[in-house]
Amino acid sequence: GDSVTQMEGPVTLSEEAFLTINCTYTATGYPSLFWYVQYPGEGLQLLLKATKADDKGSNKGFEATYRKETTSFHLEKGSVQVSDSAVYFCALRYMGNTPLVFGKGTRLSVIA
Amino acid sequence: DAGITQSPRHKVTETGTPVTLRCHQTENHRYMYWYRQDPGHGLRLIHYSYGVKDTDKGEVSDGYSVSRSKTEDFLLTLESATSSQTSVYFCAISESAGSNTDTQYFGPGTRLTVL
Repeated sequence: GDSVTQMEGPVTLSEEAFLTINCTYTATGYPSLFWYVQYPGEGLQLLLKATKADDKGSNKGFEATYRKETTSFHLEKGSVQVSDSAVYFCALRYMGNTPLVFGKGTRLSVIA
Repeated sequence: DAGITQSPRHKVTETGTPVTLRCHQTENHRYMYWYRQDPGHGLRLIHYSYGVKDTDKGEVSDGYSVSRSKTEDFLLTLESATSSQTSVYFCAISESAGSNTDTQYFGPGTRLTVL
């Protein structure tokens, strides 16, 4: 079945450091790929998405490119802030009524 | 933000008692989902609904039932709560048509503790 694997955390970075959170997937079809973010005590928010190969999703300085050849969707940010501290989830889903398949999440802590 | 509320937001109960969690949406979206979040497991699908009175099981449905009598409400019931059902429960919704049918929007969550 479909699955998502993301790097285990926690990840601790200093403010203004470069961030990469790796995400790879296995899929039988051509899913859309997502990054969700969960701030402390809150629900999940959609951070960005990409719907087909070579698409780049971007939001709030975060980027991820849908790489079909490497089945990856790595999350990057050039300069993290303390306010980026959260848990990040990579996920895939097909159009229509199908469940989201989540990775286990990666906790990011950014220190000043 | 999508109009999704969950109630209660926090609940402590005892083993063997019934518990019902409510998800309410104001977006008129067709699809609704219940997930549970546990450390080391990410989010796992419990049940979902694809319309009024139309529901199906997810990955971890044992011990849970759901009902959807109105488009806007999706109820999750633990008939007899167990300690293994201590978790954070999230409701999500998604559209049935348009360019964003692949995107789910999440509620704020309900933290349930079963003693």
